[in-house]
Amino acid sequence: QQQVKQSPQSLIVQKGGISIINCAYENTAFDYFPWYQQFPGKGPALLIAIRPDVSEKKEGRFTISFNKSAKQFSLHIMDSQPGDSATYFCAASSAGNQFYFGTGTSLTVIP
Amino acid sequence: NAGVTQTPKFQVLKTGQSMTLQCAQDMNHEYMSWYRQDPGMGLRLIHYSVGAGITDQGEVPNGYNVSRSTTEDFPLRLLSAAPSQTSVYFCASSYRGRSEKLFFGSGTQLSVL
Repeated sequence: QQQVKQSPQSLIVQKGGISIINCAYENTAFDYFPWYQQFPGKGPALLIAIRPDVSEKKEGRFTISFNKSAKQFSLHIMDSQPGDSATYFCAASSAGNQFYFGTGTSLTVIP
Repeated sequence: NAGVTQTPKFQVLKTGQSMTLQCAQDMNHEYMSWYRQDPGMGLRLIHYSVGAGITDQGEVPNGYNVSRSTTEDFPLRLLSAAPSQTSVYFCASSYRGRSEKLFFGSGTQLSVL
């Protein structure tokens, strides 16, 4: 059973547009929600992360919105650029030292 | 500073063969872990370790063994490779483990024929 459900599977956005990727979870014990970015042939790299005591976190063009009651969180990429084209994974973890990843979203930003 | 180093980058095995995927980190991280990445499945945790001599199972541990004799190294052993183990394998580490940034290696692409 997928602990973290991610959508959409793929996303095509025009340069300058907003990319939105959504994730949902069931386990209320999760207390850390990171997003990872992966380029072809590379390992994932941490992009931004949030803890459930805040509803939003912004770092440059990247924003996480967190809705604790709905058990959902999303990544917003403002002013999307071709260099943002990559696969994005949401994840969640709790005290058990296990990270659970979503199935990934392949983002393509068209110039 | 090399970070997380995985070897080999590519490997082809025949069914039933055994092999060890190597992972080393030079950041003095306590936590190390192995993931497999399959299309449409995301990253799934195989085994993890919170320190030398301590290992535990993740979501998909069957067919894999690990040990952690030093802080730096965390090898993943396939005892009898099966086609279902064809995947891309990533090693990741962090300073203390949960709720912390994971540093990933560049991956090992494994094909089992």
